[in-house]
Amino acid sequence: AQTVTQSQPEMSVQEAETVTLSCTYDTSENNYYLFWYKQPPSRQMILVIRQEAYKQQNATENRFSVNFQKAAKSFSLKISDSQLGDTAMYFCAFIPGNYGGSQGNLIFGKGTKLSVKP
Amino acid sequence: NAGVMQNPRHLVRRRGQEARLRCSPMKGHSHVYWYRQLPEEGLKFMVYLQKENIIDESGMPKERFSAEFPKEGPSILRIQQVVRGDSAAYFCASSSLSGAASHEQYFGPGTRLTVT
Repeated sequence: AQTVTQSQPEMSVQEAETVTLSCTYDTSENNYYLFWYKQPPSRQMILVIRQEAYKQQNATENRFSVNFQKAAKSFSLKISDSQLGDTAMYFCAFIPGNYGGSQGNLIFGKGTKLSVKP
Repeated sequence: NAGVMQNPRHLVRRRGQEARLRCSPMKGHSHVYWYRQLPEEGLKFMVYLQKENIIDESGMPKERFSAEFPKEGPSILRIQQVVRGDSAAYFCASSSLSGAASHEQYFGPGTRLTVT
């Protein structure tokens, strides 16, 4: 079975500091995609960052970056210079697929509730 | 370019009534996914549809739940004879399934169903 585990139910960080959210996954697939989604109090699901398993280089989007360790099946999210607007639930998600496309559904972890304190 | 649209945003039903949730995918997207989020949980896959076809319904309960995505109009998730345990947020996502971004799913704002 393919699973995604987020071991930190809640975390907090001071504004302007850096925080890392953990995620591990289990799959026998060789090609897949990993995502971090943000869900603020509005409950809208917002794609933060994605990583393709066949790419060695860690993805980066402005203040958000990932540490992708394929052998360890680990996919952590680092948020630098945390802002109050980063307060949200963060979900790690996985989808199996071949290069260029997939037809599967996303498998989500249970989420980490991040609070950014002023 | 409008995003994924869902309506209603909030829906209250009494036990035994029917709930109909609608989802209009992003322009150019022909693939729709429905997910359910129970309180304090992550999203769980329910069903994946293309126009006029159900591709994968492995996450959808066999009874009372059905989904469709007609040639014209939005995708509909229908829950008959609702029970309290159906209270949840229901999210729709869409994708284009073409090109390098074909694995990306874009989510609507969700419908919060409350069963009283």
